[in-house]
Amino acid sequence: QSVLTQPPSVSGAPGQRVTISCTGSGSNIGAGYDVHWYQQVLGKAPKVLIYGNNKRPSGVPDRFSGSKSDTSASLAITGLQAEDEADYYCQSYDSSLSDWVFGGGTKLTVL
Amino acid sequence: QVQLQESGPGLVKPSETLSLTCSVSGASMSSYYWSWIRQSPGQGLEWIGYMYYSGTTNYNPSLKSRVTMSVDTSKKQFSLKLRSVTAADTAVYYCARGRWLGGHFDSWGQGTLVTVSS
Repeated sequence: QSVLTQPPSVSGAPGQRVTISCTGSGSNIGAGYDVHWYQQVLGKAPKVLIYGNNKRPSGVPDRFSGSKSDTSASLAITGLQAEDEADYYCQSYDSSLSDWVFGGGTKLTVL
Repeated sequence: QVQLQESGPGLVKPSETLSLTCSVSGASMSSYYWSWIRQSPGQGLEWIGYMYYSGTTNYNPSLKSRVTMSVDTSKKQFSLKLRSVTAADTAVYYCARGRWLGGHFDSWGQGTLVTVSS
């Protein structure tokens, strides 16, 4: 069971907007630690999409955005494209565990 | 541009020690948290631990009793040893660079599948 909780799956049609939630607790997200998001295409290594809650590395389209509030965070993807079909993971730090922690992952299906 | 590459045996027998090395190119090892992360088949990501360039380590409590990490900055490599492996340790093992404590992993190796089987 992951320290950060994500929905197992989300789906949307091309062009639509989807959001993926990441719920933590007072020892990780709620303690003020940053949330980061990764995209993992089947068979590949994860790639950072959002870091520091809402920052995009160069090369990541502005269709991807992140937000954080209290003990949770969200990844939003607008203008959904077929190539966005992948697994998405949130990640933070937990002070009670002194660990980097990941969410269980969310599989995005583009209908 | 930093590149990471894992290397090591793809098959390990139960009760033996899994040993992997990550080679770093294109960047200094200084001031980063060099981590190992694994992903069991069909499962999510699990952080195993980190080795700071100075030698400080921190391990996932669930694996702490079996894990040792080391670094050789002269060779630009860091290593993972996981003792007394079982089938539950079968996974793709990634090495990754952490920007700061609690920060994101901005560079990842391609991953290497390690199967534990007799």
